[in-house]
Amino acid sequence: DAKTTQPPSMDCAEGRAANLPCNHSTISGNEYVYWYRQIHSQGPQYIIHGLKNNETNEMASLIITEDRKSSTLILPHATLRDTAVYYCIVRPSNSNSGYALNFGKGTSLLVTP
Amino acid sequence: DTAVSQTPKYLVTQMGNDKSIKCEQNLGHDTMYWYKQDSKKFLKIMFSYNNKELIINETVPNRFSPKSPDKAHLNLHINSLELGDSAVYFCASSPVLGRRLRVDYGYTFGSGTRLTVV
Repeated sequence: DAKTTQPPSMDCAEGRAANLPCNHSTISGNEYVYWYRQIHSQGPQYIIHGLKNNETNEMASLIITEDRKSSTLILPHATLRDTAVYYCIVRPSNSNSGYALNFGKGTSLLVTP
Repeated sequence: DTAVSQTPKYLVTQMGNDKSIKCEQNLGHDTMYWYKQDSKKFLKIMFSYNNKELIINETVPNRFSPKSPDKAHLNLHINSLELGDSAVYFCASSPVLGRRLRVDYGYTFGSGTRLTVV
């Protein structure tokens, strides 16, 4: 699986957009980019995923560069409840019987009042 | 509520004891997992079962034995507990991907079991 690189920590003011970058320069053509987050003392939570097109859902937007070597997770209006560790993960799309998520160190996002 | 539920939430036990953690999902997913999160907060996969069949078995001591009586349940039994087993253990499930599945919502995790070995 391709490895990802994320900044260890970021701050964001409440109400502002939080832009979390991720580098995955060794990503291969059949690998998706997934984002999860883990709020303190809770289980990780799925946020969004994409292959090559930009994606948006009720939680966030995912912008993937054209060469797919990096992506950015955007929380459009960060709230204090978005304070969490955010993980960028790549995995193959052909895992029909289950797949391991390789969590790295993630980015610890602190949303401040 | 549809969810992945695991019990107990907290488990404090002495070294050498045997303990089990139970996990159940009512999401209709085909695959279930156990992850371990150590004191440094790294999340690592331990096991994965697909329709009661073991498909992922990482380098985990033989003292850890998963058991899947059906595809909605994946229990974790730990023999002869050691201090280093202290961690938070997360159960998760995911649907099988394929043409029949139009939407992938990734994994759903349980809320974790904090195991403390004293």
